[in-house]
Amino acid sequence: EVQLVQSGAEVKKPGESLRISCKGSGDSSGPYWISWVRQLPGKGLEWMGRIDPRDSYTNYSPSFQGHVTISVDKSMTTAYLQWSSLKASDTAMYFCARTNGYNYLFVYWGQGTLVTVSS
Amino acid sequence: DIQMTQSPSSLSASVGDRVTITCRASQDISNYLAWYQQKPGKVPKLLIYAASSLQSGVPSRFSGSGSATDFTLTISSLQPEDVASYYCQKYNSAPPTFGQGTRVEIK
Repeated sequence: EVQLVQSGAEVKKPGESLRISCKGSGDSSGPYWISWVRQLPGKGLEWMGRIDPRDSYTNYSPSFQGHVTISVDKSMTTAYLQWSSLKASDTAMYFCARTNGYNYLFVYWGQGTLVTVSS
Repeated sequence: DIQMTQSPSSLSASVGDRVTITCRASQDISNYLAWYQQKPGKVPKLLIYAASSLQSGVPSRFSGSGSATDFTLTISSLQPEDVASYYCQKYNSAPPTFGQGTRVEIK
């Protein structure tokens, strides 16, 4: 059984940096991608970007390109979502999600990390 | 980019009612259409993939249909535990766009 466990809630000030994590366990034998999905308060789901843990290749939504960075550790078990300079508009819930195979069908989800950016 | 448009944005129905949600893609996506359920304060859950295939463990009252640009999620007999937001999503290529969501409530 695949499980994704995300890091805890964060409260930050505008301009600060932040990195949140998503640690996977269970079946990692086949190919898969890890994506990050944003959910603004009371709103819908937005795909931000994805990474292939095997080669660290990334693909971003144009809406998020240049504002966030997705990475993975060398063990390929933990994915990260990073901001260098947070804005109040980044206040949201962030989910990591994993596919089975090279597609964008999100079979497994992390529990979510709430990021609050406020002065 | 391909846009995904759901309707209605919200609905209220009685327990036991048949509920239908539609999703329209701005271009042909074949059958690369998934439906997710998100209960209030919870994590999204995959219900249906390939437009009509039920994910393991999902109750059989949920079904999906459609192809190309027009798709439907049906709950054959609405239950109290089905109160949630439902999202369609195209997943064949980037960006994997979600619909704006449909909120389902009990009347």
